[in-house]
Amino acid sequence: DIQMTQSPASLSASLEEIVTITCQASQDIGNYLSWYQQKPGKSPQLLIHSATSLADGVPSRFSGSRSGTQYSLKINRLQVEDTGIYYCLQHYSAPYTFGAGTKLELK
Amino acid sequence: EVQLVESGGGLVQPGRSLKLSCAASGFTFSNYYMAWVRQAPKKGLEWVATISTSGSRTYYPDSVKGRFTISRDNAKSSLYLQMNSLKSEDTATYYCARHDRGSWIDYWGQGVMVTVSS
Repeated sequence: DIQMTQSPASLSASLEEIVTITCQASQDIGNYLSWYQQKPGKSPQLLIHSATSLADGVPSRFSGSRSGTQYSLKINRLQVEDTGIYYCLQHYSAPYTFGAGTKLELK
Repeated sequence: EVQLVESGGGLVQPGRSLKLSCAASGFTFSNYYMAWVRQAPKKGLEWVATISTSGSRTYYPDSVKGRFTISRDNAKSSLYLQMNSLKSEDTATYYCARHDRGSWIDYWGQGVMVTVSS
């Protein structure tokens, strides 16, 4: 099974700050990586698919990148509404696996 | 507007069965792979099952293989999850989800709670 190691587990950042969350895949998954944001009591929302493609309606301050088997989600100019838990998902091969999540809070 | 509405959750005893349903609307259901994803209380997300457009192919992680069965009725735009031999560790919110292009998950339902306890 493919393991997704997500870091950090939690993060506290200030408004307008740049935030980066990473997921390391245990093997090559190509661009079969997506990112999700989940707010308390709500279902997850798609942010990025195919490692770097912004989902419809997602603010352009969110971006995704890939370097080998390391994937990053970057939030430029952090806003209040960006707090929540972020997850990566590899959908290269079953069993599909999520990262453990990153809890993002405002400082 | 894509809508996925789950139902069928509740409290069930260990070893018993439960069947979840998901009513889909706002898109051509038969064109999409579909999935179930769960989230135990205060925990992360866990993929549970995926089914192909026709229903001929299904995929499961080892944690539920042999106990859970995903199925669909394209005529009714409905997705199902039959859960047998339930264990306490199956306690979670279960989300119905849509795979875009058979790949990433792009839409999620609001979730339905399943509690396995005596």
